[in-house]
Amino acid sequence: DTAVSQTPKYLVTQMGNDKSIKCEQNLGHDTMYWYKQDSKKFLKIMFSYNNKELIINETVPNRFSPKSPDKAHLNLHINSLELGDSAVYFCASSQALGGSGNTIYFGEGSWLTVV
Amino acid sequence: LAKTTQPISMDSYEGQEVNITCSHNNIATNDYITWYQQFPSQGPRFIIQGYKTKVTNEVASLFIPADRKSSTLSLPRVSLSDTAVYYCLVGELSNFGNEKLTFGTGTRLTIIP
Repeated sequence: DTAVSQTPKYLVTQMGNDKSIKCEQNLGHDTMYWYKQDSKKFLKIMFSYNNKELIINETVPNRFSPKSPDKAHLNLHINSLELGDSAVYFCASSQALGGSGNTIYFGEGSWLTVV
Repeated sequence: LAKTTQPISMDSYEGQEVNITCSHNNIATNDYITWYQQFPSQGPRFIIQGYKTKVTNEVASLFIPADRKSSTLSLPRVSLSDTAVYYCLVGELSNFGNEKLTFGTGTRLTIIP
């Protein structure tokens, strides 16, 4: 069973569209994250939710809106997609907030290409 | 933020021991140091985590000096399958309870047959 699963794995869409990436974890973790990995391979945190509450909101355009309907799900909705949004988006989870000795488990990534 | 610095790339031959060092001069008291491995087209995978001194598991060892301003991931007897990007991660717990998890630039390790 996949611990952290995200869909779709690949997404090609046109500029200006709105798209969503879904994420689910079956580990019983309290904290979930969205990371972005760009073409230079830098892995940057975007959002973190703990028990459905937003904990971290890095400098991300407000076109990106995370939604956590429950502890096991953290979806990422992106409005008015731009070319610069093309990247790999990783969902992740941890037992608690990740820096305090907790391991972060990553999904396989969602490859977003905006054309 | 506890920023990290790692070498961008390293090459090594099969069977050798590889040591990758990460600098984190501004590490905070509550921070743990975690290393992840990422293969192409996959998400990062946990390798090892430590707070101080030395930690060893079936995959690697992690050496952390007393001042904790750096850490060294040691991979014994590497094989071709160890070719990947290795990230050093230092967690931070701010006064307000927020936590910012900054990945380093990663070290691209290439194992040569």
